[in-house]
Amino acid sequence: DVKVTQSSRYLVKRTGEKVFLECVQDMDHENMFWYRQDPGLGLRLIYFSYDVKMKEKGDIPEGYSVSREKKERFSLILESASTNQTSMYLCASSLRQGRVGEQFFGPGTRLTVL
Amino acid sequence: DQQVKQNSPSLSVQEGRISILNCDYTNSMFDYFLWYKKYPAEGPTFLISISSIKDKNEDGRFTVFLNKSAKHLSLHIVPSQPGDSAVYFCAASDPGNTPLVFGKGTRLSVIA
Repeated sequence: DVKVTQSSRYLVKRTGEKVFLECVQDMDHENMFWYRQDPGLGLRLIYFSYDVKMKEKGDIPEGYSVSREKKERFSLILESASTNQTSMYLCASSLRQGRVGEQFFGPGTRLTVL
Repeated sequence: DQQVKQNSPSLSVQEGRISILNCDYTNSMFDYFLWYKKYPAEGPTFLISISSIKDKNEDGRFTVFLNKSAKHLSLHIVPSQPGDSAVYFCAASDPGNTPLVFGKGTRLSVIA
């Protein structure tokens, strides 16, 4: 079974702090994604990566950056956390088979910024 | 501009009855569709998919129907069970290597 793990289930940070959210997948997937989920807004794509050291902006990249130094690990960075970044953050991965195909999600990190 | 729309934010159904969740899309390049189920405080899990070469795919209690001419798909759950209570996301994929496009989700409540 594909396993996608996220470093924390719950996180509380203060405004202005730098926040790192880590995601690791164990199935050698090429593609990795970061989403945030908010009530009434569904899943919104922040950043994605199709390969090591490669990144693409999603629909809402402002205030975020990412790092992919190894194939299995994709990190989301909040350079200076703000209260409007309080959200559920979801990491996903998928094989690249000509198309993205099925995405496998981690359990999520509930981030609260005070 | 939403390419995948789930127009019902919520749905309540009696246990044992049929649940029908709907999804509309606008991009004619989409040719593969997926449904995900999400419980609170967990990540979404894949439920069922359908390719555009089919108009129906069935897996146990779950059936997805695709109407390409109407750009509409629906997920049927029969019979509905309390454990089906969750948020259901519709997603669409095109043949290129682009991320899945998700709808905003429908919260299903199955009442015992």
